[in-house]
Order: sequence, then structure tokens, then C-alpha cells
Amino acid sequence: QSALTQPPSASGSPGQSVTISCTGTSSDIAGYNYVSWYQHHPGKAPKLMIYEVTKRPSGVPDRFSGSKSGNTASLTVSGLQAEDEADYYCSSYAGYNVVFGGGTKLTVL
Amino acid sequence: EVQLVESGGGLVQPGGSLRLSCAASGFTFSNYWIHWVRQAPGKGPVWVSRINSDGSSTSYADSVKGRFTISRDNAKTTLWLQMNSLRAEDTAVYYCARGDARLPWSTFDIWGQGTMVTVSS
Repeated sequence: QSALTQPPSASGSPGQSVTISCTGTSSDIAGYNYVSWYQHHPGKAPKLMIYEVTKRPSGVPDRFSGSKSGNTASLTVSGLQAEDEADYYCSSYAGYNVVFGGGTKLTVL
Repeated sequence: EVQLVESGGGLVQPGGSLRLSCAASGFTFSNYWIHWVRQAPGKGPVWVSRINSDGSSTSYADSVKGRFTISRDNAKTTLWLQMNSLRAEDTAVYYCARGDARLPWSTFDIWGQGTMVTVSS
């Protein structure tokens, strides 16, 4: 059981938007603005997509955006493209360590 | 190219030991914290350990405390994870990940591709 809760799957057609949620507690997501999102294509190195809830590293398309409300963070992918199909993991600082979600498999239909 | 490459994984019997390595290139290794994160098959990632930039401070998840030891050699731009008293529940892909320069404790901006550790008799 992962510390953060994500839906196991999400899907959308090319061009559509999809939002992935990540629910935690007052000890992690609600307590700190250090939520990150990672994209993972199996067999490859995970890639940082969002950090500090809303910020994008250089090179990440602005189709990817993050937000947070209370103990739930969200990743929205707009204008879905085939290459967005991957596993997505959220993480949050938790005061001593970093906790992760169980992952969401995003399928582009 | 900024890169982390893990090695040293394999099959080990319960109670055995294994030493993982993480070779860094393309950046000033000595400026960054480095973390180990593992992911069991079908599960989400779990943070395992971290070491600060000069190796003077380390931290471990409760599940591995006293069994695993993280270390680094900045001259060799290499990180290690010594794993002793291995258990079946340690079976996972082990990733090394670089802590972000500004947020080294919370954000991992570069990851390796991982090395698989299987603990089984």
C-alpha cells in the first residue's frame, strides 16, 4: 500500500485533457508545497515533470500542469499526445522522507 | 549528457548481501545529494536512503535502517548501497536519483534506469 493514493489508470484520446489525482494527508501533501510528478516509460529512467506543485523543469511541455488543494494534488495533461502514454507517479515531502503514490497508467486511446 | 547508471543487482538468497553501484557523469557529482529509491514489481516507488553532497550526512527508511549503508566517493563520482541481511521484501528495482540543487530533500531531477534485485532461495 503506497502512502499516496492515485487511480490505477486514466485515459484520453489525442488532443483531449486528462487529470490524475494524488491524495495524501496533512503530514505530506497538505503540509508541504513539495509535490512532484514523474513520468516513467517502462525500461527507461523516470523523468521529473512537475516539482513544487506547479513548476515545470526546463524542457517539459507546458501541456503538463500541476495543482494542489488541501491534501490532494493533481496533474493535468492537456492536448494528449501518443508519447504521453506512460506511468505517472506523484510524490511529496513528508518531513523526514519522500513518499510516493502507487502510480497511474495513462493510456492514449 | 547528465547520467546516472546503476549496476550490481542480481539474485541473492535471503540473509545474503549485495552492493549496488551508481556511476554519475555529465555533472558536478560533489554538488548534489543522491538518493536510492526502490520499486517492487507492480508497486509504487519507495524512498530508501539519501546521502548529502559531501557524504557527511545519511538517512534511511525504517524498513532498511541497520541493514543498508549508503556511501559515496566524489573523486570517483560513484555512489554505493551496501545491502546486508536481505529479505524477500527487498526484491525490487533499485534506482539512484539526484536531488535537485535547490530542493535536494524533496525533488529528484535525474534518475537512472535502475538495477533489479531479487531475494529468493
